[in-house]
Amino acid sequence: DAGITQSPRYKITETGRQVTLMCHQTWSHSYMFWYRQDLGHGLRLIYYSAAADITDKGEVPDGYVVSRSKTENFPLTLESATRSQTSVYFCASSELASGTPRNGYTFGSGTRLTVV
Amino acid sequence: DAKTTQPNSMESNEEEPVHLPCNHSTISGTDYIHWYRQLPSQGPEYVIHGLTSNVNNRMASLAIAEDRKSSTLILHRATLRDAAVYYCILHDNFGNEKLTFGTGTRLTIIP
Repeated sequence: DAGITQSPRYKITETGRQVTLMCHQTWSHSYMFWYRQDLGHGLRLIYYSAAADITDKGEVPDGYVVSRSKTENFPLTLESATRSQTSVYFCASSELASGTPRNGYTFGSGTRLTVV
Repeated sequence: DAKTTQPNSMESNEEEPVHLPCNHSTISGTDYIHWYRQLPSQGPEYVIHGLTSNVNNRMASLAIAEDRKSSTLILHRATLRDAAVYYCILHDNFGNEKLTFGTGTRLTIIP
């Protein structure tokens, strides 16, 4: 079934390790986004991408790296994981129409990351 | 980004209509009003959006005040599966692709 998939669903990693969260969408949507969700902070935007090879920072980009070599993939890398990056990470995609998405943004099911 | 104000929580009885309010007194002329919901342990889900006129879809209705300073998401017949956090978000359709989430309204459905 077409959609947006995130992997892994759950991940435990150690402080200082590099970890990559994957996001794949099958609609060829132009825009992709990474959010993190923490208790007390709600959903906060980390990075987003308007097209392949075009990325931009969101509200909380420090400690994260993104790339978008192909339209359908938007991996998020934690270069050196810290405990403060323990969170649930959501990927989303959209295809804007007339300046706002025709059918809204579609979110993945999330990756629950624990840094120990 | 223009701000929205929603009640922290609401309760409703199953099979009854639910009206979820949202205030956005600083809305600009180019802001669309979006509603998303997040069910437990899931990602946010698009519900509906509108600009000036009331909107209906299979999930809900969106009633927008004439001055656009407030809106109401209407679930016509709530079920237990509608228990979620509902987010009202303003989205500027000129060069701002990002959705900025607030804290939303936690809706509890009473059987």
